[in-house]
Amino acid sequence: DGGITQSPKYLFRKEGQNVTLSCEQNLNHDAMYWYRQDPGQGLRLIYYSQIVNDFQKGDIAEGYSVSREKKESFPLTVTSAQKNPTAFYLCASSYRDRRYEQYFGPGTRLTVT
Amino acid sequence: GQQLNQSPQSMFIQEGEDVSMNCTSSSIFNTWLWYKQDPGEGPVLLIALYKAGELTSNGRLTAQFGITRKDSFLNISASIPSDVGIYFCAGQLSGNTGKLIFGQGTTLQVKP
Repeated sequence: DGGITQSPKYLFRKEGQNVTLSCEQNLNHDAMYWYRQDPGQGLRLIYYSQIVNDFQKGDIAEGYSVSREKKESFPLTVTSAQKNPTAFYLCASSYRDRRYEQYFGPGTRLTVT
Repeated sequence: GQQLNQSPQSMFIQEGEDVSMNCTSSSIFNTWLWYKQDPGEGPVLLIALYKAGELTSNGRLTAQFGITRKDSFLNISASIPSDVGIYFCAGQLSGNTGKLIFGQGTTLQVKP
């Protein structure tokens, strides 16, 4: 079955620690995205990548970092510099020529205390 | 930054009723999409719209790309309990490189 997987579903960290969220897709999609969702709000774009070894900052990139070494994988690191890291993180992917039709993974809920 | 105003914020309806929700903006969009999100899950793409005036259906769902390119509407006919969830509109701005802007969501509850 093709799809997008994010792991783990729930993640707990202490303040001051970096944490990496996994996102893998086997849809052969070119582009991948990371969004953040806070309660009662829409999705906000953190980073996106249209091809391997290239990525761009979204609207709220501060305190986050990404890498795109493989087409299938786009991990997100939440660093200690992110002031308010507790949120629901969603990964998405799309074909490059239909990049507005983004398909989402099941999400990772990160809680930092 | 750019904003999409989605309304209503929430709806509580009886099973079998029709539902309407919309998104508006002061900016012009090239693409409109509608997603549904179940609690604790990722959004699922329902409908994508690419041309002003376009009307597209997906089962009991119908969405329209507004003629001014500044708004979009989603209608759900004959609602059922599994329609419960949060519905998001998303748009791609004219001239944008591929980033989507999301509305704040409409929470739909259906009473059996």
